[in-house]
Amino acid sequence: DTEVTQTPKHLVMGMTNKKSLKCEQHMGHRAMYWYKQKAKKPPELMFVYSYEKLSINESVPSRFSPECPNSSLLNLHLHALQPEDSALYLCASSQVPGGDYNEQFFGPGTRLTVL
Amino acid sequence: TQLLEQSPQFLSIQEGENLTVYCNSSSVFSSLQWYRQEPGEGPVLLVTVVTGGEVKKLKRLTFQFGDARKDSSLHITAAQPGDTGLYLCAGGGDSWGKLQFGAGTQVVVTP
Repeated sequence: DTEVTQTPKHLVMGMTNKKSLKCEQHMGHRAMYWYKQKAKKPPELMFVYSYEKLSINESVPSRFSPECPNSSLLNLHLHALQPEDSALYLCASSQVPGGDYNEQFFGPGTRLTVL
Repeated sequence: TQLLEQSPQFLSIQEGENLTVYCNSSSVFSSLQWYRQEPGEGPVLLVTVVTGGEVKKLKRLTFQFGDARKDSSLHITAAQPGDTGLYLCAGGGDSWGKLQFGAGTQVVVTP
């Protein structure tokens, strides 16, 4: 199984809502990532989890709250988002964080729209 | 910060033509990945190059890593409409797992 899954595929939420994005992988990877991607731009790193611990937070606003319940799961909790947070949110995983290869495998993404 | 410059930004060609996308940096990367992304989907890893001067082939796609490991190219022979997508290069090697992405090249292949 070489797949990273993400749910939901699409999400529309108001600025006062609380929602969560979910990501799962069963490749035994010990590093997991959240990215944000705007149209026609490359992915921007948000968070890195290494061995279930948060290792990188790229100065992301606190309205985004990541969680790694176990080595296969990654959540992104959303609260009080702004319309400019509308984007494609991508989850990725790699065997270990960093290293010479650092091949990251991406999920299909969650298209988030904030009204 | 290591920067990766991709060129061209946009490429529109007819089916059957060849194309080349470039990824350049002033910094050395221990590895470089190429991804293809279709609209509304996540990037799909095409290849990883690690050794300077390395050439890898994936059907009609040829990937090359520069001798100094500062640049890479992707060449597509006899492009097909299915090759349409956003091509991203990404440099690895950061011990924290951070990839440095290029800005991307949008390729459109028309029948």
